[in-house]
Amino acid sequence: ELKVEQNPLFLSMQEGKNYTIYCNYSTTSDRLYWYRQDPGKSLESLFVLLSNGAVKQEGRLMASLDTKARLSTLHITAAVHDLSATYFCAGPALNNAGNMLTFGGGTRLMVKP
Amino acid sequence: DGGITQSPKYLFRKEGQNVTLSCEQNLNHDAMYWYRQDPGQGLRLIYYSQIVNDFQKGDIAEGYSVSREKKESFPLTVTSAQKNPTAFYLCASKPWGNTEAFFGQGTRLTVV
Repeated sequence: ELKVEQNPLFLSMQEGKNYTIYCNYSTTSDRLYWYRQDPGKSLESLFVLLSNGAVKQEGRLMASLDTKARLSTLHITAAVHDLSATYFCAGPALNNAGNMLTFGGGTRLMVKP
Repeated sequence: DGGITQSPKYLFRKEGQNVTLSCEQNLNHDAMYWYRQDPGQGLRLIYYSQIVNDFQKGDIAEGYSVSREKKESFPLTVTSAQKNPTAFYLCASKPWGNTEAFFGQGTRLTVV
C-alpha cells in the first residue's frame, strides 16, 4: 500500500520569497501528481510527473520527481498572493489494480503581502 | 463541454436518513472514484469502479454504497450506518494509463 507524506502541512510566507514543498512516498512508484485546491473548491491538476528526473514548470511553480529517493518537490519562486491554496501530491502504487491515487495530507500555503 | 458533474453542491441529511450523491461524467473514462475530505485533511478513498457493473471498496467504505450501472454515472449513497457523514465529497474519473484524475466540484454534506 502506498503512503504519501507531505511537509510542511502549513506554510506561511511573504510575497517574493521562495520555498519548497516536499512529498515523500513509501513504495516504488513511477509517477506522481500535484493538485491545487482553493478553499471550498475541487482539485485542479497542476503537474503530472511520469519518470525519474522529470521536471515540469508552470509560472512560479516547478515540480520534480526522484523515484529512487521516493521524493517529489514543488518549488515556489517569488511567491504571490494568488498562489495561496492547499497543494496535494498523489501517487499510484505499482500493480495498483484500481489505477487509483493515494493522496498526501496536503500543504496549506498562505502568501502574505 | 466535457467534464464531471456532481450534484447537489450542498446537501443536508437528518439523522437516520440515507442520501444519494450524484456523479456524472461525459469524458468516456473507464474508472471512477469517490473520495471523502474532512476539514483540513487530505482525501480518503471510499469506493472505486474500473468498469460498468463492478466496484471495489476503498479505505473507508463502511456506511457507504455505490452502483455503476452506466459508464457515465457513479452515484454514492451515504447510509444511516455512516455515523459521521459530515464532510466534503469529491468524485473523480480517470482514463486508463498515466494521466491524472479529473475531479468534480464536490458535494458538501452536513448532518442536521
